[in-house]
Amino acid sequence: EAQVTQNPRYLITVTGKKLTVTCSQNMNHEYMSWYRQDPGLGLRQIYYSMNVEVTDKGDVPEGYKVSRKEKRNFPLILESPSPNQTSLYFCASSPGLVGDTQYFGPGTRLTVL
Amino acid sequence: DAKTTQPNSMESNEEEPVHLPCNHSTISGTDYIHWYRQLPSQGPEYVIHGLTSNVNNRMASLAIAEDRKSSTLILHRATLRDAAVYYCILRLRNSGNTPLVFGKGTRLSVIA
Repeated sequence: EAQVTQNPRYLITVTGKKLTVTCSQNMNHEYMSWYRQDPGLGLRQIYYSMNVEVTDKGDVPEGYKVSRKEKRNFPLILESPSPNQTSLYFCASSPGLVGDTQYFGPGTRLTVL
Repeated sequence: DAKTTQPNSMESNEEEPVHLPCNHSTISGTDYIHWYRQLPSQGPEYVIHGLTSNVNNRMASLAIAEDRKSSTLILHRATLRDAAVYYCILRLRNSGNTPLVFGKGTRLSVIA
């Protein structure tokens, strides 16, 4: 089944403790991205990647890092999480230039205390 | 991306058709009209998209006004599983490398 998977689905952590949220897709998509969703603010893009080893900042990149060492994986790294990063995070992928539909993962609900 | 306007909420009875409107008066000639939906506790899900002609797929139909300043997403028989927030988004063709800009969408409630 074609899908985007994220882990963990739920995470409660404390300020400053480094964490990684994994994202994987099995559709051989070129393009992957991370969004965060907050009440009243909608979905906002954090980072995106157009291909392996190619990443770029979205609208709200501060406090986040990403890497794209393999086509299927696009982990989101919070080196020193803060309470304002408490949010619902979605990973998405799409074929890229030849296709426009984005496929979203199930989401990761992160709480930073 | 050009702006879209949708009602905040709508309600439908189960097994009735639902027409979800979207106004996009500033749409450009190269903008495609996309619809996504987000079910409770899930990620957004692609529903349908079109440019000028009406479109049908297994999930829904998209009716586009002749002047393209508005469109309507049609669910032919609403089920309880269709209760979600529906987003109308304008995008340039092949703009897969740019973020989707989600507005507030329309929250659809389906009554059994």
